[in-house]
Amino acid sequence: AQSVTQLDSQVPVFEEAPVELRCNYSSSVSVYLFWYVQYPNQGLQLLLKYLSGSTLVKGINGFEAEFNKSQTSFHLRKPSVHISDTAEYFCAVSDPYGGSQGNLIFGKGTKLSVKP
Amino acid sequence: ETGVTQSPTHLIKTRGQQVTLRCSSQSGHNTVSWYQQALGQGPQFIFQYYREEENGRGNFPPRFSGLQFPNYSSELNVNALELDDSALYLCASSPYTSGSNEQFFGPGTRLTVL
Repeated sequence: AQSVTQLDSQVPVFEEAPVELRCNYSSSVSVYLFWYVQYPNQGLQLLLKYLSGSTLVKGINGFEAEFNKSQTSFHLRKPSVHISDTAEYFCAVSDPYGGSQGNLIFGKGTKLSVKP
Repeated sequence: ETGVTQSPTHLIKTRGQQVTLRCSSQSGHNTVSWYQQALGQGPQFIFQYYREEENGRGNFPPRFSGLQFPNYSSELNVNALELDDSALYLCASSPYTSGSNEQFFGPGTRLTVL
């Protein structure tokens, strides 16, 4: 079964600094990969997704992620963070050929805290 | 375009009671999935509905059940509530034929079981 590991539970960073949130998944078979953001007391919002093609994926709010098949990683990056980026970020994987019709499997999340 | 909506936003129940949570899918989406997000955890897949039938299920007991209606809205029912059922319940809709499995989430219903 697929699993997702987010290596950092909390990441503190100063405003305007770069940030990388790490994500590894368990299987080397073809998968779809997603990053979602959750602001306090809200649902999940899609930041970006990798389905196929270019390994560098650009998303909303200046975020990007790089798919690395050999390392089974999909790390999220932003070159300069803002206070408003403070939120919890979830990496998710779905198996396009999965028997459970592609349900999303989430990591435990990384809380990004941006300090002034 | 209306997004995914859920009701109620908050709910408090006592152990042993039953609860029904509701979800309206985004316009044009015919597939609804439900997730449970316990405090400090990522969402966990409960089940998915497509064309009014269950179309996949995660590792949840039978006391978690659901329905999907002809307008693609959905209900999640939980019987015999336990303290560990306290969580944020998220509904997500998707266009089944998209092939990308991209899911659009509602704001969630926060259930507290006392």
